Amino acid sequence: EVQLVESGGGLVQPGGSLRLSCEASGFTFSSYWMSWVRQAPGKGLEWVANIKQDGSQKYYVDSVKGRFTISRDNAKNSLYLQMNSLRAEDTAVYYCARSAWYWGYWGQGTLVTVSS
Amino acid sequence: EIVLTQSPGTLSLSPGERATLSCRASQSVSSNSLAWYQQKPGQAPRLLIYGASSGATGIPDRFSGSGSGTDFTLTISRLEPEDFAVYYCQQYGSSPGLTFGGGTKVEIK
Repeated sequence: EVQLVESGGGLVQPGGSLRLSCEASGFTFSSYWMSWVRQAPGKGLEWVANIKQDGSQKYYVDSVKGRFTISRDNAKNSLYLQMNSLRAEDTAVYYCARSAWYWGYWGQGTLVTVSS
Repeated sequence: EIVLTQSPGTLSLSPGERATLSCRASQSVSSNSLAWYQQKPGQAPRLLIYGASSGATGIPDRFSGSGSGTDFTLTISRLEPEDFAVYYCQQYGSSPGLTFGGGTKVEIK
């Protein structure tokens, strides 16, 4: 059974940093692109970033370029999102999802709240 | 960036009725690279349709997708109680700029 479990969310002040993790199981993690998708409270979905199997290609939505970094550790079956210079508008539930372009498997999400 | 506009914003229907949801793109979606998701409160989205018309694994056949170019439709042939939720379309033809529509809420009338 495919499982994706996010962690690392919490309350952070504007300008602060946070690192999200996603632990994958039930499939060969190193064979799949992986993605982060977020959802602000009461709002719609927004793709954030994705990363190729070997980490050689990474893509980001414009609003996070230069502030967020997606990475992975295939030995640990883990996906990460380093978030710096956080803003109030980054407040959202962050989902880890398998694949690059559309997503059949999602984690349960982790809430990031950016507030003073 | 391709902008997806979903209509209506809210659809009020009764169980057993047919639901027709629209997703219009600001420019043509290449290779019909469009997906539909269902999301219930407090849950992650669930993939229903990909490639505009292909059903995802385990999705009941009352869900169907159609369309091409800039106009796409999700149809639920007969609404079951568990189908009342928010539905999103998403394009992946203009990758890496992946975008979602704003969603349509299907509520019980």
